[in-house]
Amino acid sequence: GAGVSQSPSNKVTEKGKDVELRCDPISGHTALYWYRQSLGQGLEFLIYFQGNSAPDKSGLPSDRFSAERTGGSVSTLTIQRTQQEDSAVYLCASSSGHTDTQYFGPGTRLTVL
Amino acid sequence: GQQVMQIPQYQHVQEGEDFTTYCNSSTTLSNIQWYKQRPGGHPVFLIQLVKSGEVKKQKRLTFQFGEAKKNSSLHITATQTTDVGTYFCAGSPMDSSYKLIFGSGTRLLVRP
Repeated sequence: GAGVSQSPSNKVTEKGKDVELRCDPISGHTALYWYRQSLGQGLEFLIYFQGNSAPDKSGLPSDRFSAERTGGSVSTLTIQRTQQEDSAVYLCASSSGHTDTQYFGPGTRLTVL
Repeated sequence: GQQVMQIPQYQHVQEGEDFTTYCNSSTTLSNIQWYKQRPGGHPVFLIQLVKSGEVKKQKRLTFQFGEAKKNSSLHITATQTTDVGTYFCAGSPMDSSYKLIFGSGTRLLVRP
């Protein structure tokens, strides 16, 4: 596609519910990244995919967070049993190679009530 | 752990004044990238610096990478209201070049 897309753009959920966030990277980009940005803060690295494999999951904050990527394209980030501190904007980025420019999607704003 | 510090946190300038944001890494970087995020938007890539001591210019923006590849700066000459936003540096550690460690950002406000 023309750019990285993410869905939903906004998600409001109740504490304890599971949520699934989706990222569609730029076609042909092999590297995909998930970040979290809390209000007024910088970007926190969550996970990196090269193809379908995730060589670095070190940024995932807890075992409630998981991510997968299938077909070397779409990725989903799942948060189980959401907590209020999970509220943030979740940004996805893709690049053609792991040292190349990262192109960011518009993000999903998650609010946990 | 590896950290990238960025200062100042905020800068409020009069239109026409210059602006500089500084970035310091706790470890040597393979490269450093700069991004701009407009209010309500997502980060947009500005530039990547790879070589020690490298200086690159984009119109009124000047980017520098330190000799030791641990610090960087972004300087904007004669700011305009369109420069408003948060500027992030992001460094790739030498031992994990795929990873970008973002600074906390400098929020620039420009008074017309």
